This record gives sequence, C-alpha cells and structure tokens, in this order.
Amino acid sequence: LAKTTQPISMDSYEGQEVNITCSHNNIATNDYITWYQQFPSQGPRFIIQGYKTKVTNEVASLFIPADRKSSTLSLPRVSLSDTAVYYCLVGNYNQGGKLIFGQGTELSVKP
Amino acid sequence: IAGITQAPTSQILAAGRRMTLRCTQDMRHNAMYWYRQDLGLGLRLIHYSNTAGTTGKGEVPDGYSVSRANTDDFPLTLASAVPSQTSVYFCASSEGRGYTFGSGTRLTVV
Repeated sequence: LAKTTQPISMDSYEGQEVNITCSHNNIATNDYITWYQQFPSQGPRFIIQGYKTKVTNEVASLFIPADRKSSTLSLPRVSLSDTAVYYCLVGNYNQGGKLIFGQGTELSVKP
Repeated sequence: IAGITQAPTSQILAAGRRMTLRCTQDMRHNAMYWYRQDLGLGLRLIHYSNTAGTTGKGEVPDGYSVSRANTDDFPLTLASAVPSQTSVYFCASSEGRGYTFGSGTRLTVV
C-alpha cells in the first residue's frame, strides 16, 4: 500500500490559487491517485482522480508528473468555503480496495 | 438521494455495553468499509468487505466485528465498549473509482 506525505497545513486568501502536493514514492503501476475533501462533522468527499498527466473537472485540477511519485491538487481562486482538510490517497480500488488515509492537509482560507 | 445512511447520528454509551452501528447503501456497491476518525490520527480503517459474504480486517480491528449478509448493509458491532472507542465512525462504499462516505456516527463511551 502506497504511503503518502502531505503538508500538515496551508494558509491562503480568497481568490488565490492553492496547490497542495502529495508525495507517494512507492506508487504501484496500477495505482490511481485520488483526492478527497472533508469539512468538519462530515465524511470525506471525492474531488478528483487521475493516473497520469493532468486531469481537470469543475472543482479542481490534478497534475501528475511522468514518474508519478508525486501529485499536485490545484484549487483555482479559492473561497472561504474551500476551508477543509484535503486527503491524497493512492491505490487501486479494484484490488482489495483498502486504502490508507494519511494525515491530510488542513487548508485555511482567509478573507 | 443515493448514498450511504448511517445510524445513529450520535450516541453516548456506557462502558461494557454492546452497540451496533448501522450502515446502509443504495448504490449497489460491492465494497464497503468502516473507518474511525480521531483528532490528530486521521481516518483509520477498522474492517472492510469486498463483496457480500466476505469481510477483512483493517488497521485497527480489535474490539470490533462486522458482517455482510447482503450488498446493502454493513453493520459494525462493539461487543463490549471501552472509552478508547470514543470516536467518529464513518462508513464508506466503493465501486472501483472512489469512496462514497456516510455522514458519520459520533460515539462517546463513558
């Protein structure tokens, strides 16, 4: 199971772009990279998933370099409502699917 | 609305008592999971089930048991609750792409 390392916390201001990087040096060939967002008193929510290069949806972008040993979640023009904990998970949900959550990154967006 | 329903939302339980946390999904996902979340420790996997009729142990299974009699339900049982099991419990399901989580059960063991 791939271990992930993320910054414990980050601060930002409204309107800025936020990039959160996750290291996963022992990622396996068939592992996917998935990011989740968690607000207080709620369960984590799926944000975005990718395998390589770049993925973009209506919420975020995910950048994955060729060696796949890291990934960067990019949140464009954050607002106060983006204040949350963000988790990076690496693994394959079709193979036992028991992925290990890391500590996550607590993002604080200030006015 | 499709998703995962957990019950109860919160519970205060006396130590030594038996408690079952309920989890039901309506998405027909094969895989289901139970996590606990404690401040400073993140989410830790308790038990999982890849399909109805099978279960497996996660990182912190001691003191907990699960069953998976059908696709939709995945109850978590604490046979004899202890204060260290005070936590927020999340149930999740997956069909190969990512997890869908429930809204959690806040359990306090006193």
